[in-house]
Amino acid sequence: DAGVIQSPRHEVTEMGQEVTLRCKPISGHNSLFWYRQTMMRGLELLIYFNNNVPIDDSGMPEDRFSAKMPNASFSTLKIQPSEPRDSAVYFCASSLGRSSGANVLTFGAGSRLTVL
Amino acid sequence: AQSVAQPEDQVNVAEGNPLTVKCTYSVSGNPYLFWYVQYPNRGLQFLLKYITGDNLVKGSYGFEAEFNKSQTSFHLKKPSALVSDSALYFCAVRDWDDKIIFGKGTRLHILP
Repeated sequence: DAGVIQSPRHEVTEMGQEVTLRCKPISGHNSLFWYRQTMMRGLELLIYFNNNVPIDDSGMPEDRFSAKMPNASFSTLKIQPSEPRDSAVYFCASSLGRSSGANVLTFGAGSRLTVL
Repeated sequence: AQSVAQPEDQVNVAEGNPLTVKCTYSVSGNPYLFWYVQYPNRGLQFLLKYITGDNLVKGSYGFEAEFNKSQTSFHLKKPSALVSDSALYFCAVRDWDDKIIFGKGTRLHILP
């Protein structure tokens, strides 16, 4: 398995532009998490899905952020419009969920977003 | 709400010495606890977990962690540090609804 695949790895955009980050979880994993990492705030959980259904989006900072999981093999995190304070590394992670007994996460390599 | 705290932003240890990275947690039920490591420009990698059973859990790369219920702690340890252990270490707890909450991370520097 190629692991969790995220794209793009790096994105530089201007304030006000739409940004779409993509994630392909490990085949067979039924839970998917989006995290944001910054120096100031550490690793923050934005949203997570179980069996493609959003379970908790309380970590999504504002209405500018949205996430979808149309099927078991794909998820997107969209920011519209983007702002400089959104600059961070965004991680996607997947797991087997409660069925595995321990929810061990496998992380992607991350998408580094810079908003100018 | 569940939470996890890592009281040290940075830990410095001489190569060959034992290391400890501290973690305390707060949960309402039985804790599911984890340690992850992050190397530069990489995603987090799983090191070890505690679900139930022995309080001393062994994981990857010679790391182990000790679960202490009375002190609500889950400290990461290694008997002899390597320079290659230098990285960012995260403690995490599983919430009642399967959320995985991470601490702020501790940067470990192993000095040659």
